[in-house]
Amino acid sequence: NAGVTQTPKFQVLKTGQSMTLQCAQDMNHEYMSWYRQDPGMGLRLIHYSVGAGITDQGEVPNGYNVSRSTTEDFPLRLLSAAPSQTSVYFCASSRDTNEKLFFGSGTQLSVL
Amino acid sequence: RKEVEQDPGPFNVPEGATVAFNCTYSNSASQSFFWYRQDCRKEPKLLMSVYSSGNEDGRFTAQLNRASQYISLLIRDSKLSDSATYLCVFYTGGFKTIFGAGTRLFVKA
Repeated sequence: NAGVTQTPKFQVLKTGQSMTLQCAQDMNHEYMSWYRQDPGMGLRLIHYSVGAGITDQGEVPNGYNVSRSTTEDFPLRLLSAAPSQTSVYFCASSRDTNEKLFFGSGTQLSVL
Repeated sequence: RKEVEQDPGPFNVPEGATVAFNCTYSNSASQSFFWYRQDCRKEPKLLMSVYSSGNEDGRFTAQLNRASQYISLLIRDSKLSDSATYLCVFYTGGFKTIFGAGTRLFVKA
């Protein structure tokens, strides 16, 4: 059972480039979410989804897009990368709200 | 007032010591509470839920004080392997999760 698979593990972008972070889970979880983690700060919610075809903004959504075409996949798109988006990104899923979050292994993103 | 406040540490303790962390929250509507553990450069993993009556899992004890709006984590007989960052997490309803910035613990031989 793979759990939550997140790719890539590392990425370096130039300012203005776009890219997609991939996230897939095989636990049939309805809830999926993206967080970013910056030094000295807690994880902050970027976007989340409560099921296929349903997404919503979290605390820091600007500069990011998401879609949820299937239960399994929840990609995060950076439209035009900025140095302020340098961070560690985690995808997570859970069976329901208020339940245990299962995290992917994270993506270290640097924007130069 | 910040939604969550957590002492960043680091806490440096010898093996076998007892150590406790607190985490305060400002939203009285917070419904569910958790402690997660995060190893260096790794993803967070659930350590334990926190129940109103307090709960224990081996060497770990979690407690909730709703009146003073904080949760605590007590680690007894610390092991080298307990060295990590401990994150407090609150759910305030819907899908809104609040993470503390984490408390770093170093257990030394």
